[in-house]
Amino acid sequence: DTGVSQDPRHKITKRGQNVTFRCDPISEHNRLYWYRQTLGQGPEFLTYFQNEAQLEKSRLLSDRFSAERPKGSFSTLEIQRTEQGDSAMYLCASSFGGYQETQYFGPGTRLLVL
Amino acid sequence: GQQVMQIPQYQHVQEGEDFTTYCNSSTTLSNIQWYKQRPGGHPVFLIQLVKSGEVKKQKRLTFQFGEAKKNSSLHITATQTTDVGTYFCSRSSVVEAGNMLTFGGGTRLMVKP
Repeated sequence: DTGVSQDPRHKITKRGQNVTFRCDPISEHNRLYWYRQTLGQGPEFLTYFQNEAQLEKSRLLSDRFSAERPKGSFSTLEIQRTEQGDSAMYLCASSFGGYQETQYFGPGTRLLVL
Repeated sequence: GQQVMQIPQYQHVQEGEDFTTYCNSSTTLSNIQWYKQRPGGHPVFLIQLVKSGEVKKQKRLTFQFGEAKKNSSLHITATQTTDVGTYFCSRSSVVEAGNMLTFGGGTRLMVKP
C-alpha cells in the first residue's frame, strides 16, 4: 500500500497523559499536513510542513501540541497533558505541492481522552 | 475566517433517487475540492474544480463550479447504497507556499435500499 499511513489507528488515554502519533506520507510527497476532525464536523487545519520545515501553525495548535518532521519524511504529532477536549480524529495528509495541489489523507488516529 | 457553507446537512434518499449537495462561499474561490468520507473512514479525494463554470463528470457524479466561483455542487444520479457517506467541499488558501484546506460542514447522505 503506497498511500498515507498513520499509527496508531486508535488511542485511549487518561487526562493528563502525553500521546504521540506518527504519519508516513506518500514517499514522493514533500508537503505534509495535520488536521483535526471532531464528530460531525469537517477536518480543521492544524499545521503544515514542507520537507522538514514547519511553515504554518493554526491557532488551534496550543502550546501543548508539537509536531516534527525531522528528516522530511515521516512526521510526529505530540499532545502533552491531554484534555478531554482533545478527543478527536487526527488526520495527516500529504501532497506533491504546487499551486493546485491535491492533498491525500491517511486513515487517521482516533484519540479518546478519558 | 473564510468559510464554506454546505447544504443540506443531512439527506435521506431511496436507492435510485438523485442527490445534490451545495457548497457556497461569500468570497471568490481559487478552486474547490470535493471529498467523500465513509462512516468510520477518512476523507477520500474526489475532484478539484478550478475554472469558472467548470463541469466535470465521474460516472454517476457531476461536479459544477459556479460562474462567479463562489459556489459549487455535487450531483449523484440514481444513488446506490455504496454512495453512503459524508461529502465535503473544501477551499484552499495559500499559507507559506502551502495550501490550507478549509472544509465545509459536510452533507451526510443516507441511502435506503
